Amino acid sequence: DTGVSQDPRHKITKRGQNVTFRCDPISEHNRLYWYRQTLGQGPEFLTYFQNEAQLEKSRLLSDRFSAERPKGSFSTLEIQRTEQGDSAMYLCASSPRLIDTDTQYFGPGTRLTVL
Amino acid sequence: AQTVTQSQPEMSVQEAETVTLSCTYDTSESDYYLFWYKQPPSRQMILVIRQEAYKQQNATENRFSVNFQKAAKSFSLKISDSQLGDAAMYFCAYRSMDSNYQLIWGAGTKLIIKP
Repeated sequence: DTGVSQDPRHKITKRGQNVTFRCDPISEHNRLYWYRQTLGQGPEFLTYFQNEAQLEKSRLLSDRFSAERPKGSFSTLEIQRTEQGDSAMYLCASSPRLIDTDTQYFGPGTRLTVL
Repeated sequence: AQTVTQSQPEMSVQEAETVTLSCTYDTSESDYYLFWYKQPPSRQMILVIRQEAYKQQNATENRFSVNFQKAAKSFSLKISDSQLGDAAMYFCAYRSMDSNYQLIWGAGTKLIIKP
């Protein structure tokens, strides 16, 4: 396993711009999760995919946020019309197929700064 | 709704000594998972140890062990023979056995290792 990867690692954007982040999970992990983490806090759940199906979205995920996982492989998280409050670390995690081995493995995160 | 509380924002320990990080949680469920994750300054979240609530035996991983007190809803992490590389934020997390997606996180404890 090469681990969960995320791109870019850092993104600085101006308020009102759109940004897109990518997550590549560990191969053959069918579950993929997005979290948001602000400084000094634990992560907050955003959304979850099982294969290509988005099965759950947090109320934190406003209509400016959209996530996709085409073909059940990599996932993208897009934020439209960014606001300063969107500044955070966006973490992606994946977990394997087996129900009783549901440990989530995290990527390095994408740090978003909205000016 | 489940909650996770870490009451120690920061802890420090002398290198080679033992330190215990506290975590309490609130749930009405009887079956669930508990996790400790470590987040070093590079910010990638790494699993330290996991515990299934139905197992009475406390989990152990090398220098890391937990004290799981189900009735008290307490899940503390003990780090023995502390090393400089243990310096990080430590997060306690809860996952319902009925939920296959969401980890609920504490606010974290910053662990400082004094050489």
